[in-house]
Amino acid sequence: GENVEQHPSTLSVQEGDSAVIKCTYSDSASNYFPWYKQELGKRPQLIIDIRSNVGEKKDQRIAVTLNKTAKHFSLHITETQPEDSAVYFCAAPFGGYQKVTFGTGTKLQVIP
Amino acid sequence: DGGITQSPKYLFRKEGQNVTLSCEQNLNHDAMYWYRQDPGQGLRLIYYSQIVNDFQKGDIAEGYSVSREKKESFPLTVTSAQKNPTAFYLCASRLASNNEQFFGPGTRLTVL
Repeated sequence: GENVEQHPSTLSVQEGDSAVIKCTYSDSASNYFPWYKQELGKRPQLIIDIRSNVGEKKDQRIAVTLNKTAKHFSLHITETQPEDSAVYFCAAPFGGYQKVTFGTGTKLQVIP
Repeated sequence: DGGITQSPKYLFRKEGQNVTLSCEQNLNHDAMYWYRQDPGQGLRLIYYSQIVNDFQKGDIAEGYSVSREKKESFPLTVTSAQKNPTAFYLCASRLASNNEQFFGPGTRLTVL
C-alpha cells in the first residue's frame, strides 16, 4: 500500500548542532522525494527535494540522502539555528506523480 | 505569495451545515489538491484533480465533495456527513511537468 513513515515525531537540538529526520516509503516505483517545512500556522513550503537518480543533494545547511535499495531518505540540517524550528514533512509520490503521500511530520525545536 | 489563495482564513460552521472552502490559483497549474491537517498530524489527501472536469477521491474523501469547472478553481465542500470536520484545510497545485506542489495559506474550519 501507500505508506510513508517518518521519525522522530519530535526532535530537540541545541543551536549549532545537527538534526537528522528519516523517512521510509513502500512504493519501489517512487522516484521523487520532497521535504517541506511548515512554520506554526503557515503553509508548508518546499525546502529541498531529490530524485532517484542521485544519492545526495545539498543546499547550504540542508542536505537530503536517498537509499533506494532500502527505500529510505533522510533530511540533514547542519549548524541549526532557532529559525529552523518548525514541523518538517517528507513525502513520496504513488501512481506516478498524481498522488503524494506525506509523512506524519517531525517537530524540530532548536534551543538557543 | 505563490499565486495560490484560499478563503476564508477562518470559518465557523454549525453542526448540520454544509460549507464551501475556496481555492484559486493563477499559476496555470494543471493539478490541484485538497489536504486536511489535524493537530500533530501529517497531511491527508481528500480529493485531487489532474484536469478540468475531472477529479479523484483521496484517502479521506467521505463527507467531502469538490468540483473543477475551471482550471484556476478547485472549491471544497464540507458536508454535514463529515462527522469531525474541525481541522486546517490546505489546497495545493502543481504543474504537470513538475513535481513540486505549491500550497495555499490554508483555511481553519471550526464546527461549533
